[in-house]
Amino acid sequence: EIVMTQSPATLFVSPGERATLSCRASQSVNSNLAWYQQKPGQAPRLLIYGASTRATGIPARFSGSGSGTEFTLTISSLQSEDFAVYYCQQYNNWPPYTFGQGTKLEI
Amino acid sequence: QAQLVESGGGLVKPGGSLRLSCAASGFTFSDYYMIWIRQAPGKGLEWVSYISSSGSYTNYAVSVKGRLTISRDNAKNSLYLQMNSLRAEDTAVYYCARAVTGTAPFDYWGQGTLVTVSS
Repeated sequence: EIVMTQSPATLFVSPGERATLSCRASQSVNSNLAWYQQKPGQAPRLLIYGASTRATGIPARFSGSGSGTEFTLTISSLQSEDFAVYYCQQYNNWPPYTFGQGTKLEI
Repeated sequence: QAQLVESGGGLVKPGGSLRLSCAASGFTFSDYYMIWIRQAPGKGLEWVSYISSSGSYTNYAVSVKGRLTISRDNAKNSLYLQMNSLRAEDTAVYYCARAVTGTAPFDYWGQGTLVTVSS
């Protein structure tokens, strides 16, 4: 099973600042890595897939990078609606599909 | 616009059973793999099960294998999760989601249905 490790667990940032979230896989997942955003009481929403491709309707301030075992989600200028929990997920070696434990963005 | 709507959650005693449903609309259901994912209160996301587009292939997380059964009815655009021998640790919000293939992200999710296992 591939273990996904996200850091930090909580990231304190201010609106307008840049946020950088990290995700590490225990073995290579190539570029088969997705990022999801989850707001309280809502279902997760796909943000990024293929490590760097934005999903439909996702603003350009969200960008993803990396391949193999190291990945990054960057939010270039935080808006109030971006404060949420972010999960990475690998879909390269399955089953099982595995998620990171999440990074919470807090003001 | 794709839409997934789960139903069937509720309170059940340990050892009991429950059947979750996920109604799909706005896309060709039979073209997609379907997945169940769960989230225990205050915790992260855990993949539970998947089923191929035709229903021929299924797989389960170790934690639920032998107790939960995934199925689908492409004529009814519906996905199901039969949950037997439920345990307290199965308490979670259960989401259904779709993927275009097995090696693909989960691009649409339902809003979830809460299952609580408690005496």
